Amino acid sequence: DTEVTQTPKHLVMGMTNKKSLKCEQHMGHRAMYWYKQKAKKPPELMFVYSYEKLSINESVPSRFSPECPNSSLLNLHLHALQPEDSALYLCASSLQDGRPNEKLFFGSGTQLSVL
Amino acid sequence: AQKVTQAQTEISVVEKEDVTLDCVYETRDTTYYLFWYKQPPSGELVFLIRRNSFDEQNEISGRYSWNFQKSTSSFNFTITASQVVDSAVYFCALRNSGGYQKVTFGTGTKLQVIP
Repeated sequence: DTEVTQTPKHLVMGMTNKKSLKCEQHMGHRAMYWYKQKAKKPPELMFVYSYEKLSINESVPSRFSPECPNSSLLNLHLHALQPEDSALYLCASSLQDGRPNEKLFFGSGTQLSVL
Repeated sequence: AQKVTQAQTEISVVEKEDVTLDCVYETRDTTYYLFWYKQPPSGELVFLIRRNSFDEQNEISGRYSWNFQKSTSSFNFTITASQVVDSAVYFCALRNSGGYQKVTFGTGTKLQVIP
């Protein structure tokens, strides 16, 4: 099983809503990532979890709150988002973090629209 | 600081034509890793190849080939006999070694293969 599964595929939310994005992998990977991708732009790193601990936060606003309940699951909790947060949110995993030759396995993303 | 430049924003070719996607990178490190990822319309980025800075051998995988030239800081990607399924956005990426270094993506090249 070489898949990273993300749900939901599409999400529309108002600025006062609270929602969560979910990501799951069963490849035994110990590093998991959240990326944000605006249209026609490359992915931008948001968070890195390594062995279920948050290791990197790329100065992401607190309205985005990541959670890693176990080594297979990664959540991104959303609250009081702004319209400019509308983007494709990609989850990725790799065998370990900190090794520069690690290739990333990506999910197909959640397309988020904030109204 | 590291930087990846993909000067070609969009390329259109007719099916069966060959096409080369350019990637130029900047880094001060002597040890680094270069990657190519493909992002089809479905959204997930798919790993294509990884190359370390000490390995300048070109690589061929089926219709895909990669030309790594350290002297010109380039890591170009050629698709031979392009097919409609090759239509996607292609990202070149760089990651330095030593401590935590995040992946730096280029801005991507959108390839459209016309039947």
